[in-house]
Amino acid sequence: NAGVTQTPKFRILKIGQSMTLQCTQDMNHNYMYWYRQDPGMGLKLIYYSVGAGITDKGEVPNGYNVSRSTTEDFPLRLELAAPSQTSVYFCASNDRRNTIYFGEGSWLTVV
Amino acid sequence: GNSVTQMEGPVTLSEEAFLTINCTYTATGYPSLFWYVQYPGEGLQLLLKATKADDKGSNKGFEATYRKETTSFHLEKGSVQVSDSAVYFCALSSGDNFNKFYFGSGTKLNVKP
Repeated sequence: NAGVTQTPKFRILKIGQSMTLQCTQDMNHNYMYWYRQDPGMGLKLIYYSVGAGITDKGEVPNGYNVSRSTTEDFPLRLELAAPSQTSVYFCASNDRRNTIYFGEGSWLTVV
Repeated sequence: GNSVTQMEGPVTLSEEAFLTINCTYTATGYPSLFWYVQYPGEGLQLLLKATKADDKGSNKGFEATYRKETTSFHLEKGSVQVSDSAVYFCALSSGDNFNKFYFGSGTKLNVKP
C-alpha cells in the first residue's frame, strides 16, 4: 500500500549544488504535482503533469525542472541550489475523482 | 482567480472544547472544497471534502458545509482531543480544471489536556 513515495526525506545542499528529488506513485494516476511549503506558510505549486510526456509550470517554477517519462515517476530537479530553496517539498498525485494524495515530504536545506 | 483564505493560527484549545476554523474562497466555476490535515513530520492527508453547494463533508467528528452564498467552508468539531493537534489546510479544486488545487496557508491547532 505504498501510494506516493518521495526520496530523500532529508538533504543538506551547498549553494550551487544540484540534486533530484525522486517521486513515484503506484496508483496509476495521470496527474502529479510538486509543491513546496515554506515555514508557517501554505503550499505553493512548482510544477505539475497531466500525463507521461506532459508537464507545465505552476506558481513558483523558477530554479526547478521536471520530467515525466513514465506514469509512475515525476522527479524534480534543482540545478543551482540557492538558500531561497530551503523548504519542504511534497509530491502528490490525483485520482481524477477529485482527491489529491501526498507523499511524506522531503526536507531540503541549502547552506 | 482562485484562492483560499483561512484564519491565522495558532489556535489553542483545551480538550473537549468546540473548534471552528474559518475558511473562505474565491473561485471560477463551481469548485470542490477540501480540508486536509498535516500531523508533525508527515504529509497532508485528506480529512473531508464537499463537491457541491450545501454538501456537508464529515470525518472523525469534523464537519464542514459548502456555503456558496457566503463562499465559505468552515471546519468544526464539537469536542477536540489532544490527538487533533495538527495543521489544518483548506483547499479547493477549481470548477474549470478539477486537477488544479489551491491551498490556504494552514491553521495550527494546539489542544491542551
